[in-house]
Amino acid sequence: AQTVTQSQPEMSVQEAETVTLSCTYDTSESDYYLFWYKQPPSRQMILVIRQEAYKQQNATENRFSVNFQKAAKSFSLKISDSQLGDAAMYFCAYRPSFSGTYKYIFGTGTRLKVLA
Amino acid sequence: EAGVVQSPRYKIIEKKQPVAFWCNPISGHNTLYWYRQNLGQGPELLIRYENEEAVDDSQLPKDRFSAERLKGVDSTLKIQPAELGDSAVYLCASSLLSYGYTFGSGTRLTVV
Repeated sequence: AQTVTQSQPEMSVQEAETVTLSCTYDTSESDYYLFWYKQPPSRQMILVIRQEAYKQQNATENRFSVNFQKAAKSFSLKISDSQLGDAAMYFCAYRPSFSGTYKYIFGTGTRLKVLA
Repeated sequence: EAGVVQSPRYKIIEKKQPVAFWCNPISGHNTLYWYRQNLGQGPELLIRYENEEAVDDSQLPKDRFSAERLKGVDSTLKIQPAELGDSAVYLCASSLLSYGYTFGSGTRLTVV
């Protein structure tokens, strides 16, 4: 069974600094997708970044980038130039890529605090 | 484009009472999902619809939970009777094919 593990329940970062959130996963599949979602107090899950496992290049979206290590099954999120609006729960998620299975497996989340 | 709309935002009920949640997905999204998120946890899938057909409901506690998706658009998730352990956030999401989900803001249910 696939699992997603986020070992950091809470992280803090000073405004304008860089922080890295960790995520590991377990799967026997070779092709899949990985995601980072942000959940602010409004509760809506917002897609931050997405990575296809077949792509070696790490995904980047403005201040957000990932370090995808397929062999190690590691998928960390780096937030550069942290802003107060980045404070939220961050969830790592896995999804197999084969057709017909769109079920996401989520980790338990990391609460990010941004200090002014 | 309007997002995924859920109502109500909050619901407080006494145990053994029924409760229903409503979800309006993004127009044209054929796949709809209901997730439950317990406090301090990530969301877990309850049921997935492809158009009006429930294609994955293996995690839905069928003794008390039911769901329907009318004409392949709006969906309703019902709990009857509610138990204390049902307190959670119920998230609805929709997607077009396999690209990615769009989530609603969820309904926070408190059973007292």
